[in-house]
Amino acid sequence: QKEVEQDPGPLSVPEGAIVSLNCTYSNSAFQYFMWYRQYSRKGPELLMYTYSSGNKEDGRFTAQVDKSSKYISLFIRDSQPSDSATYLCAMSVPGNQFYFGTGTSLTVIP
Amino acid sequence: GAVVSQHPSWVICKSGTSVKIECRSLDFQATTMFWYRQFPKQSLMLMATSNEGSKATYEQGVEKDKFLINHASLTLSTLTVTSAHPEDSSFYICSASPQTGVGTDTQYFGPGTRLTVL
Repeated sequence: QKEVEQDPGPLSVPEGAIVSLNCTYSNSAFQYFMWYRQYSRKGPELLMYTYSSGNKEDGRFTAQVDKSSKYISLFIRDSQPSDSATYLCAMSVPGNQFYFGTGTSLTVIP
Repeated sequence: GAVVSQHPSWVICKSGTSVKIECRSLDFQATTMFWYRQFPKQSLMLMATSNEGSKATYEQGVEKDKFLINHASLTLSTLTVTSAHPEDSSFYICSASPQTGVGTDTQYFGPGTRLTVL
């Protein structure tokens, strides 16, 4: 079983829709949870960074962590064509051991 | 804040030559830097982890003599692809973890370097 599982998609939604992206994990030692956005031929950009369980909101983006279910989500409200990208979840244990999901490809159709 | 740069952004070279890629953390000091490789439409593949002043730790299957990594300072790491061949053509991305403060347990990525070996 992989440490981090992420549905690769592709996911296609109309502009203005709410997008839900998810990852599951198996290692209960993970404490830090991240979401990255990667445009084609660019390096990943850190979108959200959370510690332990709970919600974190930043503009149209909400990150949710449920440690009891080993499940994290990223919600994008009022999705825009510029949100079209690959979204990677990532998790780490203290001491710089990181694990990445395989990424979900999202297309927002105008 | 937390900006990582890479140079060059793209490079084309002849088979057999060596190519050096620089990775710099511009506004923070990085205890640890990472080097990844990414093929089209595929996920990141970690190649090696480097800590300032010590030898890099390479992932299984990555040839350390082919991919030389030097982490000479808290803001600079370099990856040298030695005797490059067409199969080394790929997108190389570095990342860095801050030494102190918020974000020490996350990674900030550079924009990537596209290497094409003819």
